[in-house]
Amino acid sequence: QVQLQESGPGLVRPSETLSLTCTVSGYSSSSDYYWAWIRQPPGKGLEWIGSIYHSGSTYYNPSLKSRVTISVDTSKSQFSLKLTSVTAADTAVYYCARPVTIFGVVVMGAYGYWGQGTLVTVSS
Amino acid sequence: EIVMTQSPATLSVSPGERATLSCRASQSVSSNLAWYQQKPGQAPRLLIYGASTRATGIPARFSGSGSGTDFTLTISSLQSEDFAVYYCQQYNNWPPWTFGQGTKVEIK
Repeated sequence: QVQLQESGPGLVRPSETLSLTCTVSGYSSSSDYYWAWIRQPPGKGLEWIGSIYHSGSTYYNPSLKSRVTISVDTSKSQFSLKLTSVTAADTAVYYCARPVTIFGVVVMGAYGYWGQGTLVTVSS
Repeated sequence: EIVMTQSPATLSVSPGERATLSCRASQSVSSNLAWYQQKPGQAPRLLIYGASTRATGIPARFSGSGSGTDFTLTISSLQSEDFAVYYCQQYNNWPPWTFGQGTKVEIK
């Protein structure tokens, strides 16, 4: 069973860089991965931030693309999110997630595995 | 970007009753639509993918239907644990994948 766990600072100053890591367990393949970051401002809905695939490809939400970088460290079973120049609007619970796999086929975009989420507050 | 619109924003239902939630896409997403349930303080849980396929372990009282731009999530007989917020999400056109704003199902 795939398990994901987010970690990182809970408080970031405005204009600085938000950095989070997601540690994956229960997943045996380091060469076949599809990881995503999704966020949720307090009391609001969900926003897909971006994804990274084993092909090396990354895909970002156009609204955040200029500030976002997602990377992976397969040796540590971790992937990371960096969001630069943060403002109060970036305050949210940040989730890492993985699509569900059905009979070995990844259903892209249908997220069946989620971390518990980590609240990041942007404030001075 | 595809805009997903859910209705109603809040649905008041008595336990044991049927709940019908709607989701509309601003353009066709074929059947590439998922439904999630979220309870306070928890991560979303995948209920339905492919518009109508229940995810592993999801009770049969949850069913999804629709294709193209109009979708429905039906909970046939609401249980106490079903009171939550429900989100639809398209994964047909990207980036980005987009979510609806959510429907809160509350106890009447």
